[in-house]
Amino acid sequence: EPEVTQTPSHQVTQMGQEVILRCVPISNHLYFYWYRQILGQKVEFLVSFYNNEISEKSEIFDDQFSVERPDGSNFTLKIRSTKLEDSAMYFCASRPGLAGGEQFFGPGTRLTVL
Amino acid sequence: GNSVTQMEGPVTLSEEAFLTINCTYTATGYPSLFWYVQYPGEGLQLLLKATKADDKGSNKGFEATYRKETTSFHLEKGSVQVSDSAVYFCALTVGGRSSASKIIFGSGTRLSIRP
Repeated sequence: EPEVTQTPSHQVTQMGQEVILRCVPISNHLYFYWYRQILGQKVEFLVSFYNNEISEKSEIFDDQFSVERPDGSNFTLKIRSTKLEDSAMYFCASRPGLAGGEQFFGPGTRLTVL
Repeated sequence: GNSVTQMEGPVTLSEEAFLTINCTYTATGYPSLFWYVQYPGEGLQLLLKATKADDKGSNKGFEATYRKETTSFHLEKGSVQVSDSAVYFCALTVGGRSSASKIIFGSGTRLSIRP
């Protein structure tokens, strides 16, 4: 069964460093998403991506964040200068082009900023 | 705006007990409603969904009915097992085919089942 994959599973970085989180969505899906979950809190939407551009972004997704689909298969989230409060689990998701369709989530990348 | 409010946890039950986790929502338009489950150390899995009023989603013995009149989507299971211990998230999306339809999650309810 096709699934969304994410790498790495755990990333440790120093404050101020750049990190890139990688995702491979399911191959025939059209919509792509990043969410994050700070430990013990709710899952929060960061950004959605469709047709090679951002569809919607939340207030969390400021100028320090960017997304890219560089080669038609990978979908990346970049944080330019990490802060302590960026420590969280980051989930990638994708869905086919169906109204009300299910989003399929990857296993997540745990980002720890020291 | 769109939001989801769900029962705070943690909820601790004995095996074979009846489970209800309450969820209510506020939405502009006609949302699709979901329950996601997160087992310890794992990502999010869709448990069940309902896309229109009076639909009942069901999976693995869990059920939830889309109640438009009470804006609710309560999760129920008749007899829980230890393996059901997890965090359960109620969620919604709003938007049509052309919309990216972000998911809005509730705060999650941690369920622990005692043998």
